[in-house]
Amino acid sequence: SQTIHQWPATLVQPVGSPLSLECTVEGTSNPNLYWYRQAAGRGLQLLFYSVGIGQISSEVPQNLSASRPQDRQFILSSKKLLLSDSGFYLCAWRQGRPSSYNSPLHFGNGTRLTVT
Amino acid sequence: LAKTTQPISMDSYEGQEVNITCSHNNIATNDYITWYQQFPSQGPRFIIQGYKTKVTNEVASLFIPADRKSSTLSLPRVSLSDTAVYYCLVGLLGDYKLSFGAGTTVTVRA
Repeated sequence: SQTIHQWPATLVQPVGSPLSLECTVEGTSNPNLYWYRQAAGRGLQLLFYSVGIGQISSEVPQNLSASRPQDRQFILSSKKLLLSDSGFYLCAWRQGRPSSYNSPLHFGNGTRLTVT
Repeated sequence: LAKTTQPISMDSYEGQEVNITCSHNNIATNDYITWYQQFPSQGPRFIIQGYKTKVTNEVASLFIPADRKSSTLSLPRVSLSDTAVYYCLVGLLGDYKLSFGAGTTVTVRA
């Protein structure tokens, strides 16, 4: 069966420090991968998605970037964190084409980031 | 993606049926309706999806009228553990840009 791993679970970082959140998926190949952010009491905001290695689409201009160095690895990064980067970050995957038409999203357990 | 509107919150008691209605007046012909459940400090979990009429699984039922401009998620005999946020999404399942609204916070009381 497929599993998704996301780490760390919680992170406290000072303003101006770098960030690296990692997400890996097991049990599937060529998945579509996603990074979402959720502010307290709010819905999920799509940040990045990827349909293949090295293919990244950004939905929201911001202080963050994403990379996909391997088929089942998705990394969210920042060179210098801002206070506004605090939030709950979620990685998700779904089946890639041609199966994606009927495939729901599967989420990891998230990373709670606090920028101080 | 079609815009969706759902209640901000709903309260219920253990053993009752909870029905959450989502409005999506501009749903497109090929759009599907998908519901997710999210517990605090966890990622959303897929519950159910459908295109028309009624879909049922071990967790919930989804009712979609003929005009498809709304849908209702039905949770039978809820328990305290069903307290969560429920999101309604409408769009092509193959659409990469899946964003979630604020959802409906369901609180189940003893």
